[in-house]
Amino acid sequence: SAVISQKPSRDICQRGTSLTIQCQVDSQVTMMFWYRQQPGQSLTLIATANQGSEATYESGFVIDKFPISRPNLTFSTLTVSNMSPEDSSIYLCSSGGITVRNEQFFGPGTRLTVL
Amino acid sequence: EDQVTQSPEALRLQEGESSSLNCSYTVSGLRGLFWYRQDPGKGPEFLFTLYSAGEEKEKERLKATLTKKESFLHITAPKPEDSATYLCAVRPGGSQGNLIFGKGTKLSVKP
Repeated sequence: SAVISQKPSRDICQRGTSLTIQCQVDSQVTMMFWYRQQPGQSLTLIATANQGSEATYESGFVIDKFPISRPNLTFSTLTVSNMSPEDSSIYLCSSGGITVRNEQFFGPGTRLTVL
Repeated sequence: EDQVTQSPEALRLQEGESSSLNCSYTVSGLRGLFWYRQDPGKGPEFLFTLYSAGEEKEKERLKATLTKKESFLHITAPKPEDSATYLCAVRPGGSQGNLIFGKGTKLSVKP
């Protein structure tokens, strides 16, 4: 199994600012995914990050709001830009294996509160 | 549209009282059904992946089964430490590996 760490674990931010969340995996993985979990809700996929190509965003999420970097096979960042209180959520990083069939593991999450 | 529905939303059991959680799904070309456990303030913890109807997997007091339309997570003689939210997710055919999640079942086990 993959061990995934995220930084920061939590943050409180002011409206209009941006926050970059880091995700580190302890082994090389083909795919990395960013999910959002709003209070009391389940997980919603924001985007899929492939190394060496642009991220693929789900409906309702755009690159200007959630820019993603994937510089290598063990690391990715998600930036939440121009934040509003509606962005308050838990942001989760997840990894997929070399083949799509492999299990998918999650990081501990970043709890973001926007005032 | 790919969809995952979990029931019940919440389940309260006495310690030792066995029960089952349900996950029904509609998906184009299932490439895996996943069960996770999530404790408050933490990320989902991987439990099982099932790939084909009839498949079963076990881990301690948990047993997951899969049919063509639904999956069950059976909990045998639960303990208070089994209290958590259990999430079901599917990986659709044609996806890049991402998952579609249900809303989860919040399980409380009282001593």
